[in-house]
Parts: sequence; C-alpha cells; structure tokens
Amino acid sequence: DVQLLESGGGLVQPGGSLKLSCVASGFTFSNHAMTWVRQVPGKGLEYVSSISGFGSGTYYADSVKGRFTISRDNSKNTLYLQMDSLRVEDTAIFYCAKDIDTSGWYHHYHHGMDVWGQGTTVTVSS
Amino acid sequence: QSALTQPASVSGSPGQSITLSCTGTSSDVGNYLLVSWYQHHPGKVPKLVIYEVNKRPSGVSDRFSGSKSGNTASLTISGLQAEDEADYYCSSFGGSRIRVLFGGGTKLTVL
Repeated sequence: DVQLLESGGGLVQPGGSLKLSCVASGFTFSNHAMTWVRQVPGKGLEYVSSISGFGSGTYYADSVKGRFTISRDNSKNTLYLQMDSLRVEDTAIFYCAKDIDTSGWYHHYHHGMDVWGQGTTVTVSS
Repeated sequence: QSALTQPASVSGSPGQSITLSCTGTSSDVGNYLLVSWYQHHPGKVPKLVIYEVNKRPSGVSDRFSGSKSGNTASLTISGLQAEDEADYYCSSFGGSRIRVLFGGGTKLTVL
C-alpha cells in the first residue's frame, strides 16, 4: 500500500520550533516531489512548501519563507519540515502529500497530489 | 484572499450535473496544463479527483471530469450522489514564484 505517515506535531509557544516528519512507503520515494500543505480547521487548504525528488529544488510560500526549512532523506524515505520562529497563525493541521508525477527529480511542477498523510496538528499558543 | 477564485457554495439535486469553476490568471491556470482538483470531506484527508486539467487518478469515478478555458478551470460532476457532498479545492502550478496555488474551496451541497 502507498502510504504517508506524519509525526512531530504538538503544542509550542510563539517563537518556538518544531520538526515534522513524514515517512513514506509503497513507492519509489526519490521519484516524486513532495509537498507540505496546511489547513486551519474550518478554513481552506494552504500551500506551505515543496521539494523535488532529489532535494535539489526547494520552494516556500511567502508566509513561511525564512522561518521553515523543507528537506528529505531518500535513504530513509522521509520528508521533513523544520519550523522555527513559530507564530500563532501557524496553528493548523499539516499534511504531507506526494506528487503524482514520477519524474520530479530536479524540480517540482505540481502535477497533482495523489497521496496524502493523515495530518499532524501544530498548535502555537502561550 | 486565495490566489485562485472559487464560488463559496454550489448545490444540486441527486442525478443532476454540476460544474465548479476556478479562476486564475494568465500566469498560472492560463499558462500551464497543471490544474488539479481535490475532494475534501470534513475530518478526512483530501482526495485527488482530477490532475493535469482533465486526467482522473485510478479509482476515481468517471462522473468526475475536468476542463480548462483560458484562465478558468472547471470540474464537472455528473449523476450527482449524496456522497459527493464535500468541499472541493482547485489548485494550479504557479510558476517560479510560487509552486502551488489553491482556491478558497467550494462547498457542494447535495439537496
């Protein structure tokens, strides 16, 4: 089965840090660009960051640029999101998602996200 | 304010066909064949129903179809069923400045 399993969410104070992980199984991880998407409960989906299959291309939404860092370890089939300088408005459910394109080694061209993790909740509050 | 514009709500009766719209610009929707649509039931994980404008992933009903004209993409659901009631989000590749754009979502109600 193709599967993504996130972890690392939790409660953190404003200005704090968290690192999310997303373990993939059932597909050739390095062939696919990966994306982090978040959703504030009751609100819409919001793009956070994405990375090419080999990790050479990394991309960010303006709202997280300079605070979040995306990375991946293809030997461990794992995607990461290091979140620093967290703000109250970063509170959301964070999903990792796999791009359907099988040749996303060097760039992410967002063909469509066909597999999603179950989500991990990040709460930023004092 | 979302980068792509979707109507907040649409409704239809069982058996009908409905079309959801998604309007972008010539820099995103109008410039690439990279529009995707997601069905999201509250409390569940988003599900890809259309990718690359008009392709259906394996396992998605052929009642779902996608198209694009200029800067506007559309998702058509034919033979509406109660289980289709959900939020639908469109998304597009945004180019070098921002890789992924989402619409604000359309709440589909099956009457």
